Amino acid sequence: KAGVTQTPRYLIKTRGQQVTLSCSPISGHRSVSWYQQTPGQGLQFLFEYFSETQRNKGNFPGRFSGRQFSNSRSEMNVSTLELGDSALYLCASSSGQYYGYTFGSGTRLTVV
Amino acid sequence: QQQVKQSPQSLIVQKGGISIINCAYENTAFDYFPWYQQFPGKGPALLIAIRPDVSEKKEGRFTISFNKSAKQFSLHIMDSQPGDSATYFCAASNNNDMRFGAGTRLTVKP
Repeated sequence: KAGVTQTPRYLIKTRGQQVTLSCSPISGHRSVSWYQQTPGQGLQFLFEYFSETQRNKGNFPGRFSGRQFSNSRSEMNVSTLELGDSALYLCASSSGQYYGYTFGSGTRLTVV
Repeated sequence: QQQVKQSPQSLIVQKGGISIINCAYENTAFDYFPWYQQFPGKGPALLIAIRPDVSEKKEGRFTISFNKSAKQFSLHIMDSQPGDSATYFCAASNNNDMRFGAGTRLTVKP
């Protein structure tokens, strides 16, 4: 069974640019969540999607957005990048809350 | 704000010892409490989880103790091994909104 696939693995962008990250969940998983991981802040919740609808949202500015497609694949977008957006962005999929999350290996974004 | 508080930030244990990591939560609506293990360069992986209707769950060397009235739960790793050296995250969720603690970096010395 294929795991959660995130692309690209690494990305370098300059301030002010925008970026789109992609996540393919485990087949059959309809819930996809996104997290930002930084050394100082741990895992910060961005948003969760289920059947193309955003069900939950964390405390991030509107520059962070996401969407989910009918095949459950998800993308997140960050516009007007800031240096502080440099982080590991993790995607997780789930077949239901009580079954836990399966995480991808993440996309390492560096903003210069 | 940090909805799940985790301690300690780092922990060094001798091989064969017991590692204990503690977490506390605020939101009484949380109804699922998993622990994740993360190795460098990898995403977190589910280790063990508990629902609030039980006070303890054991899987191999890993045990979760849960205290609903105190809103606290902890992970115990028995007979800690060097291969257990990783970062551990507690989490709490409700309605598919999962929040994580800040993580504990565990080092098990041979």
